[in-house]
Amino acid sequence: DVKVTQSSRYLVKRTGEKVFLECVQDMDHENMFWYRQDPGLGLRLIYFSYDVKMKEKGDIPEGYSVSREKKERFSLILESASTNQTSMYLCASAAGGSYEQYFGPGTRLTVT
Amino acid sequence: QQQVKQSPQSLIVQKGGISIINCAYENTAFDYFPWYQQFPGKGPALLIAIRPDVSEKKEGRFTISFNKSAKQFSLHIMDSQPGDSATYFCAARYTGTASKLTFGTGTRLQVTL
Repeated sequence: DVKVTQSSRYLVKRTGEKVFLECVQDMDHENMFWYRQDPGLGLRLIYFSYDVKMKEKGDIPEGYSVSREKKERFSLILESASTNQTSMYLCASAAGGSYEQYFGPGTRLTVT
Repeated sequence: QQQVKQSPQSLIVQKGGISIINCAYENTAFDYFPWYQQFPGKGPALLIAIRPDVSEKKEGRFTISFNKSAKQFSLHIMDSQPGDSATYFCAARYTGTASKLTFGTGTRLQVTL
């Protein structure tokens, strides 16, 4: 069974802290994605990766960076967390060329 | 700028009724139009998808209607059930970009008894 796991379901951080969100998939997928989900704004793509060590900016990359050192793991980094980064963060993976993305359960991050 | 516009934002339908969610796009460089369903506390999951050269696709009670000339597509849920209560997202896949999708803003569907 396909599985995408995220390191935390809930996270509370202080303004200015460096935050790491981790995502692991067990399907040997080439592509991995980070989204944030906010009410009324839908799912917005932050970054995606189509191969190990390869990354591309999505629609809202400002304030974020990513790392993909291994095929199964894709990390989202908030260099200096700010209150406007309080959100639900969703990770997804997909096989090359497929329109089907498999999502993790999400991490609800609160920055105070 | 939202590449895919989705409406309505929320929808309440009685059990047994038809739920209709609409999406419109502007960019013609899309080659697949999937719909995702998200239950509370879960990540979205693929529900059904359509190619732009097909006008309709049906899977059980779920049907996508696609109007290429109008750049619009819609999801119809026939005989809506309380278990269909969820948030629905339409999406579009960029041609030639592997699996990159752009999503609509979502529709929260509530099916009442």
